[in-house]
Amino acid sequence: GDSVTQMEGPVTLSEEACLTINCTYTATGYPSLFWYVQYPGEGLQLLLKATKADDKGSNKGFEATYRKETTSFHLEKGSVQVSDSAVYFCALSDRSSGTYKYIFGTGTRLKVLA
Amino acid sequence: DVKVTQSSRYLVKRTGEKVFLECVQDMDHENMFWYRQDPGLGLRLIYFSYDVKMKEKGDIPEGYSVSREKKERFSLILESASTNQTSMYLCASSPVSATNEKLFFGSGTQLSVL
Repeated sequence: GDSVTQMEGPVTLSEEACLTINCTYTATGYPSLFWYVQYPGEGLQLLLKATKADDKGSNKGFEATYRKETTSFHLEKGSVQVSDSAVYFCALSDRSSGTYKYIFGTGTRLKVLA
Repeated sequence: DVKVTQSSRYLVKRTGEKVFLECVQDMDHENMFWYRQDPGLGLRLIYFSYDVKMKEKGDIPEGYSVSREKKERFSLILESASTNQTSMYLCASSPVSATNEKLFFGSGTQLSVL
């Protein structure tokens, strides 16, 4: 079945460092891909998404490009801030059955130090 | 803004009790989901529903059931709570839309089974 694999954390960076969180997926169809973020004590919220190959999603300085050839959707940010400290989840939506079933990775905790 | 409301933020129950977790969304979404979130395991889908009175098993349905009598409400039921069901439970909803794929999450219910 469909699955999402993302790098294990925690990832600890200094402020203004570059961030990459790797995410790869397995899917039989053509899923949409998402990054969700969970700030401490809060629910998950959508950070960015891409719906087809070569699309780039972006938000709040974060970017990710849908790479069909490598089945990847890596999250990147050029300069992280302390406020970016959170848990980041890669996800895909499986529409093959006609419904919208979302599958998540295990999450990567990011800690940014001042 | 879309709101997904979970009835309790924290819940403590005893082994063998029947537990109801309630979730209400206010945006007329067709799809609703129940996930559990555990450290190192990410989000795992328990059940989802794409219409009133319709439900489908997710990846870990054992020990759980659901009810969707009204479009806005999706309940998760633990028939006989066990300690291994201690977890964070997340409810989410989404529209049926190829152009607006997005999950909206509640803030979660931390359930402890003693």
